[in-house]
Amino acid sequence: DSGVTQTPKHLITATGQRVTLRCSPRSGDLSVYWYQQSLDQGLQFLIQYYNGEERAKGNILERFSAQQFPDLHSELNLSSLELGDSALYFCASTPTGGSSGTQYFGPGTRLLVL
Amino acid sequence: AQKITQTQPGMFVQEKEAVTLDCTYDTSDQSYGLFWYKQPSSGEMIFLIYQGSYDEQNATEGRYSLNFQKARKSANLVISASQLGDSAMYFCAMRERDTGTASKLTFGTGTRLQVTL
Repeated sequence: DSGVTQTPKHLITATGQRVTLRCSPRSGDLSVYWYQQSLDQGLQFLIQYYNGEERAKGNILERFSAQQFPDLHSELNLSSLELGDSALYFCASTPTGGSSGTQYFGPGTRLLVL
Repeated sequence: AQKITQTQPGMFVQEKEAVTLDCTYDTSDQSYGLFWYKQPSSGEMIFLIYQGSYDEQNATEGRYSLNFQKARKSANLVISASQLGDSAMYFCAMRERDTGTASKLTFGTGTRLQVTL
């Protein structure tokens, strides 16, 4: 158990809908990352937050947005869903002040868009 | 731009044998970090081992070791005494600017390892 929690584990929805994925980082970790894993694109970095502020953006679609709250949990919002958004979405967190910057991943949310 | 290459889509190894999973990387940074993660069929990503670009010794964590050859830009994972539970997908990843400042990981395409009896 990495200490990172994600809910829900599975999500089935229809095209055009909006969903929210939730992540709680390990206790004390200020950095949260979101990644998408799909069959055609592999594992891709979406966005990073550090202590409530956006720190870096990757290949995140405009239909997707995220935020990190004062209690450090993060939410990834996916809107106007398309079939191609079906993927495994991971959240990861990094210990503050650690020398390696190792990212510990949550169990993921498996999204299926029908 | 950073790039991670894993050329072995799949590997087989017999139980109790050692296996090497290949990873090469490309970066213009002098300071970076290399990681290996394991993804079992259940889907979670499990951190295995880390190597910093300035580390002179190869990293080891139990049965896992990282064969780091900086000049060749390779960071191969060696699993000794394979077990059936080692059957999984293995990903090599790189983080630029290995200063401990958190930044994104760039992943390879993965190698699927199957351990046989």
